[in-house]
Amino acid sequence: DAGVTQSPTHLIKTRGQHVTLRCSPISGHKSVSWYQQVLGQGPQFIFQYYEKEERGRGNFPDRFSARQFPNYSSELNVNALLLGDSALYLCASSLELHGYTFGSGTRLTVV
Amino acid sequence: GQQVMQIPQYQHVQEGEDFTTYCNSSTTLSNIQWYKQRPGGHPVFLIQLVKSGEVKKQKRLTFQFGEAKKNSSLHITATQTTDVGTYFCAAQRWQTGANNLFFGTGTRLTVIP
Repeated sequence: DAGVTQSPTHLIKTRGQHVTLRCSPISGHKSVSWYQQVLGQGPQFIFQYYEKEERGRGNFPDRFSARQFPNYSSELNVNALLLGDSALYLCASSLELHGYTFGSGTRLTVV
Repeated sequence: GQQVMQIPQYQHVQEGEDFTTYCNSSTTLSNIQWYKQRPGGHPVFLIQLVKSGEVKKQKRLTFQFGEAKKNSSLHITATQTTDVGTYFCAAQRWQTGANNLFFGTGTRLTVIP
């Protein structure tokens, strides 16, 4: 079985641009969560989606948005990129009340 | 959001020594999960604790959940170089329509051969 897949693996963007990150969960997992991890810190919660509905939002500005599709895959969008948005963006999928399986992440660099 | 603090932030041990990391919350938690992240990797789920006072073991790893469900610990016996990485606790407060998982600050373990 394929694990959680994220694309792209690496991305370089310029300040002010927007970016779309993609995530495919493990088959059968209806919950997808997004995290931002800055080097040397723990993952910071951005969004959780379950059955296409937003179930939670972390302390991130409105420039960050996400959605979940009928096949449970998900996209994270970030507008008006800032240098501080440079980070590893992690997607995780899970069954209800179980541990999370993380993808390998998208390394975003904003220059 | 909720805050989950971990101590210590860093730990260097000689191979064969024991290691413990502690996780503390000011609020009652529904569960605790533990993850390991190798350098350059992504978090990997180790275990989930749900019951008050619960203790679980995985080979050399022992996990505990406090009686008040506000703290947890991970203990590694006789560390090996393969134990190197950052250990995170993560917690949820189960509510109707939301069970977001919040990560602690992590403890970075270095094992000196």
